[in-house]
Amino acid sequence: DGGITQSPKYLFRKEGQNVTLSCEQNLNHDAMYWYRQDPGQGLRLIYYSQIVNDFQKGDIAEGYSVSREKKESFPLTVTSAQKNPTAFYLCASSMEGLSSYNEQFFGPGTRLTVL
Amino acid sequence: GQNIDQPTEMTATEGAIVQINCTYQTSGFNGLFWYQQHAGEAPTFLSYNVLDGLEEKGRFSSFLSRSKGYSYLLLKELQMKDSASYLCATGRGSTLGRLYFGRGTQLTVWP
Repeated sequence: DGGITQSPKYLFRKEGQNVTLSCEQNLNHDAMYWYRQDPGQGLRLIYYSQIVNDFQKGDIAEGYSVSREKKESFPLTVTSAQKNPTAFYLCASSMEGLSSYNEQFFGPGTRLTVL
Repeated sequence: GQNIDQPTEMTATEGAIVQINCTYQTSGFNGLFWYQQHAGEAPTFLSYNVLDGLEEKGRFSSFLSRSKGYSYLLLKELQMKDSASYLCATGRGSTLGRLYFGRGTQLTVWP
């Protein structure tokens, strides 16, 4: 079955620790995205990557970092510099990063709680 | 950023019809998506409009007017399982690949 996986579903960390959220897709999609969602809010873009070994900042990149060494993987690191990291994190992918039609497919999400 | 506006909450009863509106001000507009998101789950794709008019898909239809910067999602024969958040998102020609999301409309369907 093709799809996007994110692990773990729930993650707890102490304040001041860095944490890495995984995102893997086997859809052979070129583009991948990380969003953050807070209660009652829409999706805010953190980082996105349209092709391997390249990525761009979204609207709220401060305190986060990413890498795109493989087409299938786009891990997100939440650093201690992120002031309010507790949120629901969603990873998505789309077939072509530079296409005018850009249906995005989402993973199940990781709920991060920083204590 | 892009200015996308949709109502925060709506309620309806089973079997009814509900229309969820979305207005946008997206420079270089390049298509509009509707997604459904149940609580704690991933958004799932519902519809895509890039030309003016109505797109029908089963119980769900989506309409677009580019000149007015306006779209709506029409849900017919409402079921309890339609209780969810509905997200409007636009694409932009100058930033191909990105979608800009509204805050979502939380729909509650009552029996």
